[in-house]
Amino acid sequence: AQSVTQPDIHITVSEGASLELRCNYSYGATPYLFWYVQSPGQGLQLLLKYFSGDTLVQGIKGFEAEFKRSQSSFNLRKPSVHWSDAAEYFCAVGARGGGSYIPTFGRGTSLIVHP
Amino acid sequence: EPEVTQTPSHQVTQMGQEVILHCVPISNHLYFYWYRQILGQKVEFLVSFYNNEISEKSEIFDDQFSVERPDGSNFTLKIRSTKLEDSAMYFCASRQIGLAGGRNEQFFGPGTRLTVL
Repeated sequence: AQSVTQPDIHITVSEGASLELRCNYSYGATPYLFWYVQSPGQGLQLLLKYFSGDTLVQGIKGFEAEFKRSQSSFNLRKPSVHWSDAAEYFCAVGARGGGSYIPTFGRGTSLIVHP
Repeated sequence: EPEVTQTPSHQVTQMGQEVILHCVPISNHLYFYWYRQILGQKVEFLVSFYNNEISEKSEIFDDQFSVERPDGSNFTLKIRSTKLEDSAMYFCASRQIGLAGGRNEQFFGPGTRLTVL
């Protein structure tokens, strides 16, 4: 079964600084990979996903993530953080095959942005 | 932009009571899901539903839980006799029929916070 580790529970950055949120997965083959963001009182919004092809994936709100098979990682990055990026970020891995995949989520990383 | 909606946003109930959580998936989606997130823990899969039946469920989804699509738009999660440990945020999600690539993502609702006293 697949699993996801987000080693950082909280990350604090200053507005305008760069950001990298870590995600490591465990899965026997090439997985589907996702990053979701959850703002207070909101649902989970998909930031970006990797299915195949280019390992550097661009998402919404200026985020990107890079799939590194050798490191089993899918870290999320943003070059300059805005105060509105403060939220909970979830990495998820989905198994391939079948019509109804079920993503497995990490515990989440809470991003705090200082002015 | 179409979105998944959930009601109520917060539900408080007494232990042993039945609760029904409501979701309206995106209208052209055919796969429906329930997840829960206990405070400070991971988002956990409960159940998926397709073609008017459960397609997958986790070990969390025991006999106390049931799902239903009572009409063409609603998707409900029922907990028959709530326990303290059922206190969590419950998310509904929906997905279009399985297509390769970008159509395969799930869209999540804002969640219902269930508090069992």
